[in-house]
Amino acid sequence: DTGVSQNPRHKITKRGQNVTFRCDPISEHNRLYWYRQTLGQGPEFLTYFQNEAQLEKSRLLSDRFSAERPKGSFSTLEIQRTEQGDSAMYLCASSLPGAIPGNTIYFGEGSWLTVV
Amino acid sequence: QKEVEQDPGPLSVPEGAIVSLNCTYSNSAFQYFMWYRQYSRKGPELLMYTYSSGNKEDGRFTAQVDKSSKYISLFIRDSQPSDSATYLCAMMSGSQGNLIFGKGTKLSVKP
Repeated sequence: DTGVSQNPRHKITKRGQNVTFRCDPISEHNRLYWYRQTLGQGPEFLTYFQNEAQLEKSRLLSDRFSAERPKGSFSTLEIQRTEQGDSAMYLCASSLPGAIPGNTIYFGEGSWLTVV
Repeated sequence: QKEVEQDPGPLSVPEGAIVSLNCTYSNSAFQYFMWYRQYSRKGPELLMYTYSSGNKEDGRFTAQVDKSSKYISLFIRDSQPSDSATYLCAMMSGSQGNLIFGKGTKLSVKP
């Protein structure tokens, strides 16, 4: 399978715990995005990387959230001191830079987080 | 006012019907317009994209963009039960690194 891969697919955690999600993008895609989606809403942009550089962060990305892409390949999204409001699906996507169709953005299956 | 507005539905149609899904937007800088399909508890899947104004057809799907009215549409002909999903419109400007999504419209096609 050469699509965007996300792990774990589901995570249930207690409030106050830290969680980490991993994303493996499509090979050779040097742009990587994180989005968050809550029930009944469209995905909301969190942050994106070009190679290992984090180029943009949304105001949604509070200081409890940190994303890394240390070698320009896979990425991790860590949420510290989780709150019930963090319960959502966290989507990773990847693309090539440049004009569409080259930078068509492909999404993974998402990682569901439930904070209890 | 949100940048992208989309009626969440739900929309229920009989099999074989023509479905019309729409979004409006406020940011005139948007140049790229996409439609994604999302099945329950899955990631969004790109259906179609359009650059600037005009129409694009792919099989049973037709995407239309009217930049003068800031209005985009997706038409599905001969709808099938397998088309039952949430349809998300998404937009971006050439300078942005991210997509702005609508809320999604939940479509149900009844056999």
